[in-house]
Amino acid sequence: AQSVTQLGSHVSVSEGALVLLRCNYSSSVPPYLFWYVQYPNQGLQLLLKYTSAATLVKGINGFEAEFKKSETSFHLTKPSAHMSDAAEYFCAVSEGGGSYIPTFGRGTSLIVHP
Amino acid sequence: GAVVSQHPSRVICKSGTSVKIECRSLDFQATTMFWYRQFPKQSLMLMATSNEGSKATYEQGVEKDKFLINHASLTLSTLTVTSAHPEDSSFYICSARVLGQGGNTEAFFGQGTRLTVV
Repeated sequence: AQSVTQLGSHVSVSEGALVLLRCNYSSSVPPYLFWYVQYPNQGLQLLLKYTSAATLVKGINGFEAEFKKSETSFHLTKPSAHMSDAAEYFCAVSEGGGSYIPTFGRGTSLIVHP
Repeated sequence: GAVVSQHPSRVICKSGTSVKIECRSLDFQATTMFWYRQFPKQSLMLMATSNEGSKATYEQGVEKDKFLINHASLTLSTLTVTSAHPEDSSFYICSARVLGQGGNTEAFFGQGTRLTVV
């Protein structure tokens, strides 16, 4: 069984400030982990993924995430927020290997203030 | 990355009618596609897994006679909401899985369909 917990349904930051979106996972097997971004009335776009290689994963738009097995975490960060980063972010976990049937977290809405 | 096209993006239908949503993989073949439902401000709920040439696998609690899925080709899966009711109003998203080696398995998502039943 696998599950994802995203702490905080809303995160508010000022433009230029650090972005930190938290994700903790539970998986009975080595996981694959993903972060997706969703803009209003659109599908999901993959930001980055961890697939058992490097624990620090760099993605698009300046985002990165670090896999910490001891903490069962995969938090998403960005050094400096832009207004265009305002969106819904989903963390997802799937079993390692080729199955890829992800389980999504509830999502975190990122609000960026000017 | 690979492109998944979902159509229509928005549809309004009358209660009791049926609505078909198409999900196409434009530049790759997808043996497996997934259909999700998303309620406002909530996460994606997997409804069913669609396999080309075989019956879809529905998640627990999803009515297979209500949500008909057809995956007739390697590039097209359709979801038909039959006898739609206002409570079926939601955002429906499809994704297509691309199997790769060395951790390159990935799913690409359609743009979603906003269904409103009046």
